Amino acid sequence: DTEVTQTPKHLVMGMTNKKSLKCEQHMGHRAMYWYKQKAKKPPELMFVYSYEKLSINESVPSRFSPECPNSSLLNLHLHALQPEDSALYLCASSGKNRTFYEQYFGPGTRLTVT
Amino acid sequence: DQQVKQNSPSLSVQEGRISILNCDYTNSMFDYFLWYKKYPAEGPTFLISISSIKDKNEDGRFTVFLNKSAKHLSLHIVPSQPGDSAVYFCAASDTSYDKVIFGPGTSLSVIP
Repeated sequence: DTEVTQTPKHLVMGMTNKKSLKCEQHMGHRAMYWYKQKAKKPPELMFVYSYEKLSINESVPSRFSPECPNSSLLNLHLHALQPEDSALYLCASSGKNRTFYEQYFGPGTRLTVT
Repeated sequence: DQQVKQNSPSLSVQEGRISILNCDYTNSMFDYFLWYKKYPAEGPTFLISISSIKDKNEDGRFTVFLNKSAKHLSLHIVPSQPGDSAVYFCAASDTSYDKVIFGPGTSLSVIP
């Protein structure tokens, strides 16, 4: 199983809403990532979890709150977002040693903030 | 400051010919390089990688070349096929950190 799944596929939320994005992998990978991607731009790293602990936070605003309940699951909790936060949110995971940087990406959640 | 650059936003190639996608980097600490392919409405898919101790890695129709002195790498696709039409991201990492830096991408169109 080389799949990373993400739910929901699409999400429309108002600026006062609270919602969560979910990501799951069953490849035994020890690292999981959240990226944000705007149109015609590269993926931009937000958070990295390594062995279920937050190892990197790329100065992301606190209205984005990551959570890693276990080694297979990664959540991104959203609250009080701004319209400029509308983007494709990608989850990825990777394994150990030489394959560590070969990240497997999910299909993404297309988020629209109104 | 872009650490990974792909100076060609787009490239068109005839089916059956070679596609060459280029990438330059500025950080001399990068020691692992990757290429990802992305179709619309999908996440990026890992394609091929190369460690800084090598200068070439080949996988089927895909070959990546690394020139460390020039801080340059390239992806060759031979022969190109219409299904190769996608955005290609070059990425690089300093393996002491848990992160990969992506370039801006090159959109490849393979014309039948």
